[in-house]
Amino acid sequence: GAVVSQHPSRVICKSGTSVKIECRSLDFQATTMFWYRQFPKKSLMLMATSNEGSKATYEQGVEKDKFLINHASLTLSTLTVTSAHPEDSSFYICGASDGVSSYNEQFFGPGTRLTVL
Amino acid sequence: GQNIDQPTEMTATEGAIVQINCTYQTSGFNGLFWYQQHAGEAPTFLSYNVLDGLEEKGRFSSFLSRSKGYSYLLLKELQMKDSASYLCAVMDSNYQLIWGAGTKLIIKP
Repeated sequence: GAVVSQHPSRVICKSGTSVKIECRSLDFQATTMFWYRQFPKKSLMLMATSNEGSKATYEQGVEKDKFLINHASLTLSTLTVTSAHPEDSSFYICGASDGVSSYNEQFFGPGTRLTVL
Repeated sequence: GQNIDQPTEMTATEGAIVQINCTYQTSGFNGLFWYQQHAGEAPTFLSYNVLDGLEEKGRFSSFLSRSKGYSYLLLKELQMKDSASYLCAVMDSNYQLIWGAGTKLIIKP
């Protein structure tokens, strides 16, 4: 159990376009979803935390107007990178928590590799 | 500030044992996780420690000392497929995961 999917797995786009990444919990209700980005050989960096039906809480330094997060249901959260630029190229991973696991475990999606040309 | 330290890279031989250390300084502590991450993939859960001591799970064991802010992941009978990055992460007082940069483990035949 506890499967999280992400779509797309890989996307290449032109500078200035917007890209939407979906994160779905397939067999549980994700009360909280987390969005991370990871640069090569670096740790995961938390971008924002979202609770279903509420506005996302962004980490310091993360532009909320650039990285739009929507957590519309208990099984779906989306991250939209608006007006993407080459520096936005990264590996984006979502994590989902059901709020009832014994140690607030997060379950991770397979990640999305974004390349902005 | 919050900080997680682990070695950048380690090399070991197939069939051997390797210990990956992690030290942490965080605001509060609600447990320490170890994850395995293959290149270009999401982390997969290996272990969770919240009390001091050793947790054993098959070929993998994880140890925690809260007073020392220290943990290690022990991998036995190494296999080539164990080549990956191993991430140490601490859940702080806000139940947020603070991540280390990961230790790249290279297994040689």
